[in-house]
Amino acid sequence: AQTVTQSQPEMSVQEAETVTLSCTYDTSESNYYLFWYKQPPSRQMILVIRQEAYKQQNATENRFSVNFQKAAKSFSLKISDSQLGDTAMYFCAFMNRFGNEKLTFGTGTRLTIIP
Amino acid sequence: EAGVAQSPRYKIIEKRQSVAFWCNPISGHATLYWYQQILGQGPKLLIQFQNNGVVDDSQLPKDRFSAERLKGVDSTLKIQPAKLEDSAVYLCASSLTRGGAYEQFFGPGTRLTVL
Repeated sequence: AQTVTQSQPEMSVQEAETVTLSCTYDTSESNYYLFWYKQPPSRQMILVIRQEAYKQQNATENRFSVNFQKAAKSFSLKISDSQLGDTAMYFCAFMNRFGNEKLTFGTGTRLTIIP
Repeated sequence: EAGVAQSPRYKIIEKRQSVAFWCNPISGHATLYWYQQILGQGPKLLIQFQNNGVVDDSQLPKDRFSAERLKGVDSTLKIQPAKLEDSAVYLCASSLTRGGAYEQFFGPGTRLTVL
């Protein structure tokens, strides 16, 4: 079974600074997807960024980028020029590309952006 | 485009009572998911439907939980009888179809408190 570990329960950073959230995972599969989801306070969970394991290039979405290290099974999220609206719970998640296509989530990191 | 709708938003019941949650996915989405999110944890998949068929219900406590998706659109999740440990947020999500290439869109969730 796949497991996803987020070792930082809480983080805080000043507005406009850069912050990196860590995620490690364990799998014996070689084809899979990795995701970062954002869950703002009292609001719906939304997809931030997705990485396909067979792609070596790290995914980027505007101020959000990932550092995907397949051999180390590490998948960190970097948020540049952080904004107050980035305050949220961030969940790292894993999905096999074939077979059991279900999302397995980590326990989350609560990120607070300080004005 | 309307998002995933869920009702009720909040529910408080006594243990051993029954409760039902309703979900209306995004129009045209074939895949529907129910997740349980216990406080301080990431969401855990309970059941996944593809149209009106069950794809995965391996983590659904079938002695007390049931779910259906009649006509492949709306879905209901029922708990009977409820236990204290069922207190959680129940999230519904939908995607165009199965697989990591298709984004899952989440509803606002139903917060269940079992007293």
